[in-house]
Amino acid sequence: DTGVSQNPRHKITKRGQNVTFRCDPISEHNRLYWYRQTLGQGPEFLTYFQNEAQLEKSRLLSDRFSAERPKGSFSTLEIQRTEQGDSAMYLCASSPGQVQETQYFGPGTRLLVL
Amino acid sequence: GENVEQHPSTLSVQEGDSAVIKCTYSDSASNYFPWYKQELGKGPQLIIDIRSNVGEKKDQRIAVTLNKTAKHFSLHITETQPEDSAVYFCAAPLDGGTSYGKLTFGQGTILTVHP
Repeated sequence: DTGVSQNPRHKITKRGQNVTFRCDPISEHNRLYWYRQTLGQGPEFLTYFQNEAQLEKSRLLSDRFSAERPKGSFSTLEIQRTEQGDSAMYLCASSPGQVQETQYFGPGTRLLVL
Repeated sequence: GENVEQHPSTLSVQEGDSAVIKCTYSDSASNYFPWYKQELGKGPQLIIDIRSNVGEKKDQRIAVTLNKTAKHFSLHITETQPEDSAVYFCAAPLDGGTSYGKLTFGQGTILTVHP
């Protein structure tokens, strides 16, 4: 399978715990995006990487959130001191890297904070 | 910032009928308009997209039309089948396409096709 992969697919945690999600983009895709989707809503942009550089962060991304893409390949999204309001589907997407190209989404990681 | 409005929120059709979903956007500089299909428990899957240099694009039973003057674009599905049942999202790039491609999504349309 050469699509975008995300792990884990599901995560249940208790409030106050830290969680980390991983995204593996399509091979050779330079751009990587993180979105968050709550029930009944469309995805909302969180952050964007061009290779290893994080170039954009939404104001939705509080100080408890951090994302990395250390070698320009896979990316991780960490949420510290989780809150119940963090419960959502976290989606990763990648694109080849031209000005405006198709974004291919992964299956998402569904987070439930108890 | 970009705002994308999508209607209707739910759409129920009989198998074989056509379905139309409409979206309006706020930034006249936007130049790329994808449509995604999302099935339960899965990530959004691109089904068709259109760029601002064309007014219509078709792929088998699916077509998208764009009216840049009115700032709206529509998804048309003909000869609907039960497997078309899903949530459909329209999207447009934030900041009129001058950003790095980050998308603003509509609120989604739940399409149900009855056999």
